[in-house]
Amino acid sequence: DAGVTQSPTHLIKTRGQQVTLRCSPKSGHDTVSWYQQALGQGPQFIFQYYEEEERQRGNFPDRFSGHQFPNYSSELNVNALLLGDSALYLCASSSWRGLAHEQFFGPGTRLTVL
Amino acid sequence: AQTVTQSQPEMSVQEAETVTLSCTYDTSESNYYLFWYKQPPSRQMILVIRQEAYKQQNATENRFSVNFQKAAKSFSLKISDSQLGDTAMYFCAFIWVPSGGYQKVTFGIGTKLQVIP
Repeated sequence: DAGVTQSPTHLIKTRGQQVTLRCSPKSGHDTVSWYQQALGQGPQFIFQYYEEEERQRGNFPDRFSGHQFPNYSSELNVNALLLGDSALYLCASSSWRGLAHEQFFGPGTRLTVL
Repeated sequence: AQTVTQSQPEMSVQEAETVTLSCTYDTSESNYYLFWYKQPPSRQMILVIRQEAYKQQNATENRFSVNFQKAAKSFSLKISDSQLGDTAMYFCAFIWVPSGGYQKVTFGIGTKLQVIP
C-alpha cells in the first residue's frame, strides 16, 4: 500500500502565477481533504472532496479551487499567487464510512512564492 | 465553531522519561473524535492515537496514552519511555460530523517536542 502520495515535493513560483498540486489517496479511500500549513502553524482546512464534488470549504478565497477525479485522486489549484500563499500543502485521505473518520496524510508539497 | 488549544509551544524531555502534552477544546457537540498526530522533521503527518468521545475508556497505543476528560474538554497525550524518534511536532485534532453533513476538522497549533539524549 503506497499510502497517500503528493506531487511535486517542492515548487517555486512567482507572484501572480498559477499552480496545480496533485494528490493520490490511500488505497480504499474515497475522500480527499486539502490543508494549508504555514510555518510554525497547524494545518488549516481548505476544502474536502467526495464523489467528485467539493463538499465543504474552509475560510479560503475563490483563488483556491480543486477537483476530484473518478479514481479519487485530486488536484488543488491556486490562481494569482500571493506571497502569503507560501506554505506546506497537505493532502489527507479518508474513507467516507471509515473508522472514526481517521485521516491519512501525504508528505506535502512545499510551495514558495517569490 | 470548534476550537482546539495547545498551550505548550515547546517542550523537552530526557530520553526514557515521561512527558505529557496538553490539549483543550471547545465544543457544544456531544459526539466527536479526537486525535493526536505527530509530524517529524521529515514532515509526514502520522496518526498517534485516537479517542471517540462516546468511549469513557482512555485510548492506549503502546507507549502513548491519553487522558480524556470530556466534561473538562481536555485531551492530553502521555508519552512514556520517550525515545529520540519521538522528537516532532504534535498536533491535537478535533473531528465531528453533523447529522446529514460532512466531517469538520480543527487542528491545534502544535507542540514541538524535543527528546534529549
